[in-house]
Formats: sequence, C-alpha cells, structure tokens
Amino acid sequence: DIVMTQSPDSLAVSLGERATINCKSSQSVLYDSHNKDYLAWYQQKPGHPPKLLFYWASTRASGVPARFSGGGSATDFTLTISSLQAEDVAVYYCHQYYTTPGSFGQGTKLEIK
Amino acid sequence: EVLLVQSGAEVKKPGATVRISCKLSGYTFIDYYIHWVQQAPGKGLEWMGLVNPENGDTLYAENFQGRVTITADTSLDTAYMDLYSLTSEDTAVYFCATSLPSTKTPFDYWGQGTLVTVSS
Repeated sequence: DIVMTQSPDSLAVSLGERATINCKSSQSVLYDSHNKDYLAWYQQKPGHPPKLLFYWASTRASGVPARFSGGGSATDFTLTISSLQAEDVAVYYCHQYYTTPGSFGQGTKLEIK
Repeated sequence: EVLLVQSGAEVKKPGATVRISCKLSGYTFIDYYIHWVQQAPGKGLEWMGLVNPENGDTLYAENFQGRVTITADTSLDTAYMDLYSLTSEDTAVYFCATSLPSTKTPFDYWGQGTLVTVSS
C-alpha cells in the first residue's frame, strides 16, 4: 500500500502570511499514460466533514478560493495558501487515489499565530 | 445541490452490530460510487470500502474485510454500512462520500458524519 506522509504535523501562520503543507507518497502516483497525478487535498474544519479542495494535484474544486494552490508531481506535493485567512483554520489531508485502497496523509493542523 | 444525509449517532455495546445509512439527493444515485471512511478520535481518515449502486458490487479494505458490509437501495437512494463485532477501537466518526464511478477518482461530496460510540 502507498503511504502518504505530510509535513509538518502542525503549523501556525500569521494572518495574511503564506502557509505551505507538504505531502510525500511512498511511490509515484503519476499515471504516465494520462500524465495526471492521482492526488487530492481536503480541508476539514472542526465538527465538519472533509471538503475537496484539489484533485489531479492542482485542479481546484468548485468554489475554492484562488489563494489556495496545489502543486507537485509523482511523489512530492504541496498545498499553499498565499495569504492566510481566519476561516482557513482547519486540518488538511492529502489523499492518493492511484491505488485501491486509496490512502490519506495523517493530516496537518493549521492554526493562526 | 448534492446532499448526503447520514443517520444519527449510535451507542453500542462490544460485540454488537451498527448500521449507518446515507441518503443521497441532488443527483442520480446510480451515477456515483458510495464510499465509507472511518475517522477515529484524534486520528486521520481510513477508507473502509465502497458500493457501486448501479449493480451492487462492493470492494472492501483489507482492515475491515469480513467485518463490514456495504449495500445500496436504489429505491430509496440510500447506502448502508453495517459494521459487526464492534470493539472499543471502532469508536469513531463514519463518513459516507461519493466519487465518480471509478476507484481512481477523489471523493467529491461527503455526508455530515455519524459518531459511533462502543462502550460497555
């Protein structure tokens, strides 16, 4: 099974500053014939279900603000919030759906400094 | 608007079985897979399995194989997850989620979650 490892486990960033979360997979999730990375990002606020932010590593889901961006390929991925807002406080998960079962990272808790 | 509404919180004794439902609205039920995901207290997300409502085919994670059954009732647009032989380690929030009809797509919509507490 593919193991997804996020870093850091927690992150405190000042309002308006940049936040970057990393996700590393134990093997490539790039499907060469499609040239797509089978990697998604979710945001989970306390007491709520996860919400899809990105799929194919960098395709923004409907309604996701432009300050969020997803990048990377193969085994190394990033989720960046260019200017942190108070409503971005949440736990963020990466998720590979290249194999079945898919697997999630352990989560990164993002807080305001 | 796509909506997944799950049944309410449950308290079960060790050894019991729990059934959680997930009713879908806002799109054609048979056009999507329904997945179930476990989130234990303070822990991350673990995929449990899926059902294809169009034909009832299922796929289960190895960790839950033999202890979980996922079904879909197309007359009610509702999916179910039965978890058997409960132990305290099954205390968790359980989510249903949808994906396009492939195992290689992300989970685009999620239910609100159902808390299951296993306690004697």
